[in-house]
Amino acid sequence: AQSVAQPEDQVNVAEGNPLTVKCTYSVSGNPYLFWYVQYPNRGLQFLLKYITGDNLVKGSYGFEAEFNKSQTSFHLKKPSALVSDSALYFCAVRDILGSSNTGKLIFGQGTTLQVKP
Amino acid sequence: GAVVSQHPSWVICKSGTSVKIECRSLDFQATTMFWYRQFPKQSLMLMATSNEGSKATYEQGVEKDKFLINHASLTLSTLTVTSAHPEDSSFYICSARDPGGARTDTQYFGPGTRLTVL
Repeated sequence: AQSVAQPEDQVNVAEGNPLTVKCTYSVSGNPYLFWYVQYPNRGLQFLLKYITGDNLVKGSYGFEAEFNKSQTSFHLKKPSALVSDSALYFCAVRDILGSSNTGKLIFGQGTTLQVKP
Repeated sequence: GAVVSQHPSWVICKSGTSVKIECRSLDFQATTMFWYRQFPKQSLMLMATSNEGSKATYEQGVEKDKFLINHASLTLSTLTVTSAHPEDSSFYICSARDPGGARTDTQYFGPGTRLTVL
């Protein structure tokens, strides 16, 4: 079965320090991986995606993620955290087993990032 | 680019009434849209996949007669919660899949609609 796991419910980091939000996946074949961010009472904002190519993907707001096939991971990173980065982060993988190929996503449970001044 | 809007952003209704939520892709055509439900501090639960010009595909456990979905054009999908009850109170989020170009395979999300049923 396809799945995405975000092992940490919450990550706390001091402003200016590097941050990592972890994500591991389980899929058949090559994964399409995504990171989204959600601010309170808002929809999800697309940060970045990996489909093919360079394992290090750069996205919006200074975020990047590294695709690691051997560890089946796609951790989200940022070199220097900002207080404004505090939000709920979701990792997702495209469901490639569905017969209709609609691009349905399977989401992780989400990780709350708290950046303290 | 890749903007998705939802209307209304919040709605309060009485039990037994119906509520319609609109989802629009503003700068691209979306053959596929998705409807999610989200409970506080939880992940998104996919309710249904909305395909332009055809019937929606509902996830297991979602009542199709209660949550009516219509995808009348390439830029508009609607979700109607019929005979709403307090347990239907939730945050409903739609997304639209951009099928072309560099944004291929990416879902873009609307800002969400907070439904409160009294």
